[in-house]
Amino acid sequence: AQKVTQAQTEISVVEKEDVTLDCVYETRDTTYYLFWYKQPPSGELVFLIRRNSFDEQNEISGRYSWNFQKSTSSFNFTITASQVVDSAVYFCALSEAKNGGATNKLIFGTGTLLAVQP
Amino acid sequence: EAQVTQNPRYLITVTGKKLTVTCSQNMNHEYMSWYRQDPGLGLRQIYYSMNVEVTDKGDVPEGYKVSRKEKRNFPLILESPSPNQTSLYFCASSFFPGPDPYEQYFGPGTRLTVT
Repeated sequence: AQKVTQAQTEISVVEKEDVTLDCVYETRDTTYYLFWYKQPPSGELVFLIRRNSFDEQNEISGRYSWNFQKSTSSFNFTITASQVVDSAVYFCALSEAKNGGATNKLIFGTGTLLAVQP
Repeated sequence: EAQVTQNPRYLITVTGKKLTVTCSQNMNHEYMSWYRQDPGLGLRQIYYSMNVEVTDKGDVPEGYKVSRKEKRNFPLILESPSPNQTSLYFCASSFFPGPDPYEQYFGPGTRLTVT
């Protein structure tokens, strides 16, 4: 069965520190997709990134970067020089596959609450 | 503006009183789904719909109903709410999954409290 584990329940850092949020996934599929969403205190879900299983290149977007390693089934998210506005719950998610095809169902991890102190 | 809307955003109700949470999208998406978010559990899918009149159960469908009579609307119905349905609910939509799962657009969430 597919599963996403975010072992870090809460992380607290001081502004300008770098922070890495861990995500480990389980799947038997060879084709799958991984996602990160941000949930700020206002409650909405904000899409950050989607990655497919064939693309192991790391990605950088401003202060955000993602490290995808199939060998360890991990898709970690790093925020460089954190800011107070980064305070949020971050969810990692895996798209479920069924009968060999991708579906739009997302399997979410339990989320990591990041608190960035000024 | 492309968006998914949900109403109401906040609702406090009593056990057994039927309620409906509406969800509407303006992106002509085929796929729509409902998730509930609970502390320590992340988000779990309740029901989904791949197109008009096509719905199916997700992981936690008990106590919920849905309908998809129009492409843009996907209401979530709680016929007899119970306190264990107190949760934050999200509606999401996307294009029908072809070879790749498309990005899903989430609504703003509905916080439901059942007393």
